Amino acid sequence: EAQVTQNPRYLITVTGKKLTVTCSQNMNHEYMSWYRQDPGLGLRQIYYSMNVEVTDKGDVPEGYKVSRKEKRNFPLILESPSPNQTSLYFCASSFRDGSVTGELFFGEGSRLTVL
Amino acid sequence: AQKVTQAQTEISVVEKEDVTLDCVYETRDTTYYLFWYKQPPSGELVFLIRRNSFDEQNEISGRYSWNFQKSTSSFNFTITASQVVDSAVYFCALSEAGFQKLVFGTGTRLLVSP
Repeated sequence: EAQVTQNPRYLITVTGKKLTVTCSQNMNHEYMSWYRQDPGLGLRQIYYSMNVEVTDKGDVPEGYKVSRKEKRNFPLILESPSPNQTSLYFCASSFRDGSVTGELFFGEGSRLTVL
Repeated sequence: AQKVTQAQTEISVVEKEDVTLDCVYETRDTTYYLFWYKQPPSGELVFLIRRNSFDEQNEISGRYSWNFQKSTSSFNFTITASQVVDSAVYFCALSEAGFQKLVFGTGTRLLVSP
């Protein structure tokens, strides 16, 4: 089954404790991206990757890191989480055809709470 | 800069009513793509439709229809004979050719009561 898998789905952590949210897709997609969803703000892009070893900032990259060492994986790293990073996070992937023009497949979301 | 506006924060209807969700977009590109996603209470994002800027034909899929009007920069979504299962948050989104992201509106929460 074609899917984007995120882990963990739910996490409560404390300020400053490094954490990683993993994302894996099994559709051989070149493009992967991370979004955060906050009430009243919709979804905002954090980082994206057009292919292995190619990553770039989205609209709200501060406080986050990513890496793309393998095509299928795109982990989101919070080196020192703060309460303003409490949010619902979505990983997404699609085929690359010059831009994000095909369907963007989303993971089920990871709800993160930073105390 | 690209922008998507969904002015309706929340809409409440009674089952079987028709409802239209508005989406207005801004872009300088002549080539762009518009999307609608549904987010049910369970939280996942469900793809509904993608439309490119060169195709202004309206689309109908069962009870769902979409009206794309470049003259007013709008891409509205109508649900005919709404059902309780249509209760969700609906997001409109825009992607410009050459840019690597979808820009989302803030979403419209639709509540359909029996």
